[in-house]
Amino acid sequence: GNSVTQMEGPVTLSEEAFLTINCTYTATGYPSLFWYVQYPGEGLQLLLKATKADDKGSNKGFEATYRKETTSFHLEKGSVQVSDSAVYFCALSLYGGATNKLIFGTGTLLAVQP
Amino acid sequence: EPEVTQTPSHQVTQMGQEVILRCVPISNHLYFYWYRQILGQKVEFLVSFYNNEISEKSEIFDDQFSVERPDGSNFTLKIRSTKLEDSAMYFCASSRTSGNTGELFFGEGSRLTVL
Repeated sequence: GNSVTQMEGPVTLSEEAFLTINCTYTATGYPSLFWYVQYPGEGLQLLLKATKADDKGSNKGFEATYRKETTSFHLEKGSVQVSDSAVYFCALSLYGGATNKLIFGTGTLLAVQP
Repeated sequence: EPEVTQTPSHQVTQMGQEVILRCVPISNHLYFYWYRQILGQKVEFLVSFYNNEISEKSEIFDDQFSVERPDGSNFTLKIRSTKLEDSAMYFCASSRTSGNTGELFFGEGSRLTVL
């Protein structure tokens, strides 16, 4: 079946540290891949996306590259800030689906300390 | 900036009671969704809704669940007779288009606790 697996949290980093949150997927067909972020007290927001193999999504200093050979979409940021503290969700959506049905991972809590 | 709003933010109910969770999607969006996340588990798709009818639903969305858009602005999720395992965070979302663009706009969630 179709699924997303992301690394367990919480991830605790100091400000300016390098961030990687791993995400791998299993999918039939050709998925689009997404990272959503949920800041405290807010809804999930689309952070970045990639719709085909080798595409790189980027936003707010975060990047993720769609790797078909390793079925991965790892989230990276070179220098995290306290304001990046949030829960990060990896997700996929299948091409040809009738609706925007997202399949999510469990979410990874990131805590950045000053 | 337009946003999806959900009420209540937290509801506590007794097992067997009916619960209605309310959502106001972004005004020019046409597609509406409910997702849920049981504590410690994945965010799961429940149902999508377009043109006043269900487009797709998951196995979770059984006869105990229903959705409607009664007045053209609210989008509601009703659980007819709650069970302990319905305790979860419920997220409403909306989008302007269908397909797999993935650009859903989510509300803050409604936490349901069934005792």
